Amino acid sequence: GQNIDQPTEMTATEGAIVQINCTYQTSGFNGLFWYQQHAGEAPTFLSYNVLDGLEEKGRFSSFLSRSKGYSYLLLKELQMKDSASYLCAVRDGDYKLSFGAGTTVTVRA
Amino acid sequence: GAVVSQHPSWVICKSGTSVKIECRSLDFQATTMFWYRQFPKQSLMLMATSNEGSKATYEQGVEKDKFLINHASLTLSTLTVTSAHPEDSSFYICSARDLAGGDGANVLTFGAGSRLTVL
Repeated sequence: GQNIDQPTEMTATEGAIVQINCTYQTSGFNGLFWYQQHAGEAPTFLSYNVLDGLEEKGRFSSFLSRSKGYSYLLLKELQMKDSASYLCAVRDGDYKLSFGAGTTVTVRA
Repeated sequence: GAVVSQHPSWVICKSGTSVKIECRSLDFQATTMFWYRQFPKQSLMLMATSNEGSKATYEQGVEKDKFLINHASLTLSTLTVTSAHPEDSSFYICSARDLAGGDGANVLTFGAGSRLTVL
């Protein structure tokens, strides 16, 4: 089975940096994904890590350590539109994604 | 990029009726699609894997006779909630993988979701 943990909520100020941690214990691993989901909408893809290290995509970066079962998503230069839920998801060998409960990020002016 | 269309976006039905939700890959072929369910303020829970031309694979605890899945073509999968009850009210989301894509091959694209309310 899959066990994926991430904080429930985080609050930060516009322009700041926020780091969302995700730890996982899974029966199979074939990549870790981060998705953004606004209320009432489908998730949108942010980043993907399959090897250890940091992947940077503009204001968003994601890090993976497979030996530690740990990942984080780093959001820089926060904007109001970044207020959303951020989902950590682990993919197994059958391309099935298992999601964490999500971290709700609130950006304040 | 890969686009997945899901229809309807909203549906309200009476208890005991059946509701069909369609998931289409618009610009790519998807031999496999996934159906998720999300209750308010909770994460997505995988319900089943839809396989083109064969039976769907259901996750533990999901009733296959209640949630009928048909994947009749490489671009269409349908989920039918049979004899719906208020506890089936939820946000249902499908996803698909573009096998021919570059990064798309590694990424699941999600439909916009279908919000079902059973009265």
